[in-house]
Amino acid sequence: EPEVTQTPSHQVTQMGQEVILRCVPISNHLYFYWYRQILGQKVEFLVSFYNNEISEKSEIFDDQFSVERPDGSNFTLKIRSTKLEDSAMYFCASGTEINYGYTFGSGTRLTVV
Amino acid sequence: SQQGEEDPQALSIQEGENATMNCSYKTSINNLQWYRQNSGRGLVHLILIRSNEREKHSGRLRVTLDTSKKSSSLLITASRAADTASYFCATDYNQGGKLIFGQGTELSVKP
Repeated sequence: EPEVTQTPSHQVTQMGQEVILRCVPISNHLYFYWYRQILGQKVEFLVSFYNNEISEKSEIFDDQFSVERPDGSNFTLKIRSTKLEDSAMYFCASGTEINYGYTFGSGTRLTVV
Repeated sequence: SQQGEEDPQALSIQEGENATMNCSYKTSINNLQWYRQNSGRGLVHLILIRSNEREKHSGRLRVTLDTSKKSSSLLITASRAADTASYFCATDYNQGGKLIFGQGTELSVKP
């Protein structure tokens, strides 16, 4: 069964450093998402991406964050100048259509120290 | 807030029993989805029900949707120890696929 692949599975970074979280969505999917889940809290929407541009972003997704599809297959989330409160599990998801379920990756656990 | 709420927050049952989890939401939706998450792992899509559907089945899963009450339920029949996980409802509020997740129900199935 096709999978959404996320790397790395765990990243530890110093506060103030930049991190890039990587995702390989399912190849024929058109819609891409990033979500995050702070330990013990709800899964929160960050950003949706369609047709090579951001279609929607949450208030969490400020200038510190950016996304891109650098080569038509990878989908990356960059966090500039990480803060302690950015520590969370970050999930990538992709889907074929809006009214279908999405496939989530296994997540990247980001720990900012 | 558009966010859904699930109840109960935690549910402990014996293997073979049925487990029912409920989800409520606040505004009109395009669809409602249920996901499972094993501890520290990713989210697995279980089932999607559209706003014009009232009930859907998938294997041992049964989902109902009552748009007049803005609520949904997930029933897992004949539960197994492997069903132990957190279960989340997520709603698409006609906003282009963005999902709003509930707090989740932590299900524990004892062998």
